Amino acid sequence: DVLMTQSPRSLPVILGQSASISCRSSQSLVHSDGNTYLDWFQQRPGQSPRRLIYKVSNRDSGVPDRFSGSGSDTDFTLKISTMEAEDVGVYYCMQATEWPWTFGQGTKVEVK
Amino acid sequence: EVQLVESGGGLVQPGESLRLSCAASGFTFSDYWMTWVRQAPGKGLEWVASIRADGSGTFYVDSVKGRFTISRDNAKNSLSLQMSSLRGADTAVYYCLRDRGSVWGQGTTVTVSS
Repeated sequence: DVLMTQSPRSLPVILGQSASISCRSSQSLVHSDGNTYLDWFQQRPGQSPRRLIYKVSNRDSGVPDRFSGSGSDTDFTLKISTMEAEDVGVYYCMQATEWPWTFGQGTKVEVK
Repeated sequence: EVQLVESGGGLVQPGESLRLSCAASGFTFSDYWMTWVRQAPGKGLEWVASIRADGSGTFYVDSVKGRFTISRDNAKNSLSLQMSSLRGADTAVYYCLRDRGSVWGQGTTVTVSS
């Protein structure tokens, strides 16, 4: 199985400051069709997760542009450009290039 | 409004069976792969199973193979997860997802305990 490793596991962020979460995979996530199926999800306290970013860097509809995704091959990053209070929650990366799909362990983002 | 609504969760004893359902609305259900993801209490997310848009292919995490069956009824805009031989480790909130997670349901809770 593809192992997804996120860091840090906990991330205190000052409101208005930027934050970055790293996600590394144990093997390349480039699919045979040329796409890289690496997505990012946000789970606010007490809520269902929602997808923020799909295929590395594409923002889902309604997602604020302060969220951005980047990376390639085995190394990926989610960045929050300007932390807002509503961004508190746990963030997960997920790969869907290989079966079984696998998630990172999650990164808890909180206000410092 | 695009919506997924899960149902069917509950408390069961180890070894028993349970069937989860997911009602889809607001989009053309038959155009999309569908997926189940679960989250054990206080834990992270775990992909469980996916099914192709036309139902022609299904995929499972190893820990549920042979025990869980994902299926769909495109005429009824409905997704199901038949779970048998349930174990304590299956205790979780089960979420229904459209494809790779563009839409999530609110989840339904399954508790396996004697």
